[in-house]
Amino acid sequence: GAVVSQHPSRVICKSGTSVKIECRSLDFQATTMFWYRQFPKQSLMLMATSNEGSKATYEQGVEKDKFLINHASLTLSTLTVTSAHPEDSSFYICSASSSGGPHEQFFGPGTRLTVL
Amino acid sequence: KNQVEQSPQSLIILEGKNCTLQCNYTVSPFSNLRWYKQDTGRGPVSLTIMTFSENTKSNGRYTATLDADTKQSSLHITASQLSDSASYICVVRGGSQGNLIFGKGTKLSVKP
Repeated sequence: GAVVSQHPSRVICKSGTSVKIECRSLDFQATTMFWYRQFPKQSLMLMATSNEGSKATYEQGVEKDKFLINHASLTLSTLTVTSAHPEDSSFYICSASSSGGPHEQFFGPGTRLTVL
Repeated sequence: KNQVEQSPQSLIILEGKNCTLQCNYTVSPFSNLRWYKQDTGRGPVSLTIMTFSENTKSNGRYTATLDADTKQSSLHITASQLSDSASYICVVRGGSQGNLIFGKGTKLSVKP
């Protein structure tokens, strides 16, 4: 099956700093990438949808200036958490789809972010 | 409101035993239903995907069923193994936007 990777797998940062998370589709071209956040014992919550070469679409309640998403190529999307705060600590998961819209999505392994 | 409810919230079984996880949904319009396995600290991995016309689908020791009339699905795990310990998430694609709507998952623990 299609492989999606994320880097880093876990990151610890100080409050106020910015953190960048990379999501790569390794063996297919991802027209669309999705970013999710998962708090303990909760379901995955969609944060934003990004299509290659265009601005990301954010879900209601997700601050676009705080969670910067760049989908510059068909194999790479990045999520930057700016001015991170402890409440941003969560498990961030990306997924990628090779066709437009939420068709078959392949999930990355996730990134555990801890903000001190 | 489009929702996916799973039960039980958690389950402990002995190695070798069978178990069944439940999923009820209120998503409309419905496109498909997926079951994922999520190991702790990892991303979800797809087990099965079923469309409206499919009643059952198997993937090794995993068998999923779908009743589109009652909007219920189940995931049956046969002859459980220690490696089956994980969260199992029911996900329905549908709604006006065609998005994926996630259940909270059932945390399965298989004990020796």
